[in-house]
Amino acid sequence: SYELTQPPSVSVSPGQTARITCSGDVLPKQYAYWYQQKPGQAPKLVIYRDSERPSGIPERFSGSSSGTTVTLTISGVQAEDEADYYCQSADSSGTYPEVFGGGTKLTVL
Amino acid sequence: EVQLVQSGAEVKKPGESLKISCKASGYNFTIYWIGWVRQMPGKGLEWMGIIYPDDSDIRYSPSFQGQVTISAGKTITTAYLQWSSLKASDTAMYYCARRIGTSPGFDYWGQGTLVTVSS
Repeated sequence: SYELTQPPSVSVSPGQTARITCSGDVLPKQYAYWYQQKPGQAPKLVIYRDSERPSGIPERFSGSSSGTTVTLTISGVQAEDEADYYCQSADSSGTYPEVFGGGTKLTVL
Repeated sequence: EVQLVQSGAEVKKPGESLKISCKASGYNFTIYWIGWVRQMPGKGLEWMGIIYPDDSDIRYSPSFQGQVTISAGKTITTAYLQWSSLKASDTAMYYCARRIGTSPGFDYWGQGTLVTVSS
C-alpha cells in the first residue's frame, strides 16, 4: 500500500491562515479528500477532489494540490475550527485500503 | 436528507461475537458504496473495507481481511460489520460512511459505534 504524511500539529492565532499539508506519491495521480473531526464527533468532509467544497462548508476552507503535496487552507481561522484534520486518497492501481493520513491537530491559540 | 444511523455502544468479552449495524436513509442505498472506518482510542482513522449493496461486492483492507466481515441487506438499507471472536485490541469506535460515488472519499458518516472488549 502507500502512505500519506501529515504534520502532527499546526497552531495559529484566530484570524490567521492555517495550512495543513498532506504528502504522498499517489497524490499527483489521485484526488485528495479532507475531513474535520472535533472531539466526540464523527469526521466531516470539508474538501473533496483536491479543492471542491461540499455544501454547507464555509468558504474559508479551501484545498490545493501541487505535485506530491496537497494543502488544506483555512483562512481567517476561528476558534470553532480547532479540530483534527485528516487527508485521504486512493492508489491509482485500484488496490485497497484507501488510506488516511495520520491526522493533524489544529490548535487555535 | 441522507442519514446513517448506527447501532448503540457494545461491551463484550474476548472471544464473543458481535454484529453492529448502520441504517441508511434518504438516498438510493443500493448504488452507493458504504465503508467502515476504525478509530482506536486516541488514534487516527483506519479504512477497513467497503461494500456495494446492490451486488454485495466487498473490498477489504489487507489489515482487516479475515478479521471482520462486512455485509449489507438491500431491502432494509442496512450495512453490517461483524466479528466472530473479539479481541481486546478490537476496542475502538467504528464509523460507517457513504462513499462519494466511485470516488474514495466519504461524504456522509454515521455517528459511530463504540465497541469495548474487556474481560
